[in-house]
Amino acid sequence: NAGVTQTPKFRILKIGQSMTLQCTQDMNHNYMYWYRQDPGMGLKLIYYSVGAGITDKGEVPNGYNVSRSTTEDFPLRLELAAPSQTSVYFCASREGSWLTGELFFGEGSRLTVL
Amino acid sequence: AQTVTQSQPEMSVQEAETVTLSCTYDTSESDYYLFWYKQPPSRQMILVIRQEAYKQQNATENRFSVNFQKAAKSFSLKISDSQLGDAAMYFCAYKTSGTYKYIFGTGTRLKVLA
Repeated sequence: NAGVTQTPKFRILKIGQSMTLQCTQDMNHNYMYWYRQDPGMGLKLIYYSVGAGITDKGEVPNGYNVSRSTTEDFPLRLELAAPSQTSVYFCASREGSWLTGELFFGEGSRLTVL
Repeated sequence: AQTVTQSQPEMSVQEAETVTLSCTYDTSESDYYLFWYKQPPSRQMILVIRQEAYKQQNATENRFSVNFQKAAKSFSLKISDSQLGDAAMYFCAYKTSGTYKYIFGTGTRLKVLA
C-alpha cells in the first residue's frame, strides 16, 4: 500500500514550457486534491475531484488543468509555465463518505520556473 | 468565508518540555472538523490529531492533545515531552461537515532544542 505517489519530486522548467505532475493513489479514494504551497502562505487549493470524470476548480486554478479518467490517477497539467508557478505542489486524497475525512498527502513536487 | 489563523510563525521548545501551538478560526457553521497536520523536513504531511466540533471532549493522541474552545473559536495543539522528531511545520486546518474544502493556516515551524 503506497498511499499517494507523486512524480516528479523536482523539476525545473523554462518560461513557456508545459509539463504534467502525476498523482496516483491506491486507497480507492473518491476525493482527490491538488494544492500548492508557497512560503508563508499555507496551502492553496488548485483543483479537486470527487470521482472519476468529475473535476472542479479550487481557489487558484488559473494556468492549470486536470483530468480524472480513473479513480487512481489525478494528473495536474501546467500550460505555458510562468515564474509565479514556482512552488511546491501536493496531491492529496480522502475517502468519499461523510466521515471526518483525513487527507492523505503525497511527498510533494518542487517546481521551479526560470 | 472561513479562515484559519496561526499567529506564531516559529516556536522553539527544549527536548522533554511542553509546547503549545495556537490556532484560531472563523466560521458561522456549527458542524465542522479541525485538524493538526505535521510536515517534517521530508515534506510529506501527516495527520496528528482531529477534533469534531460537536464533541466537547478534547482529542488526545499519545503526547499530542488539543484545547478546543468552540465559543472562542480556538484550537491549540499541546505537545508534551517534546522529542527531536517533533521538529516540523505544523498546520492547522478546518473543514465544514459535508463539504469538500479544507482551509489551512499558514503554519508554525517548531524547533526542538537538544
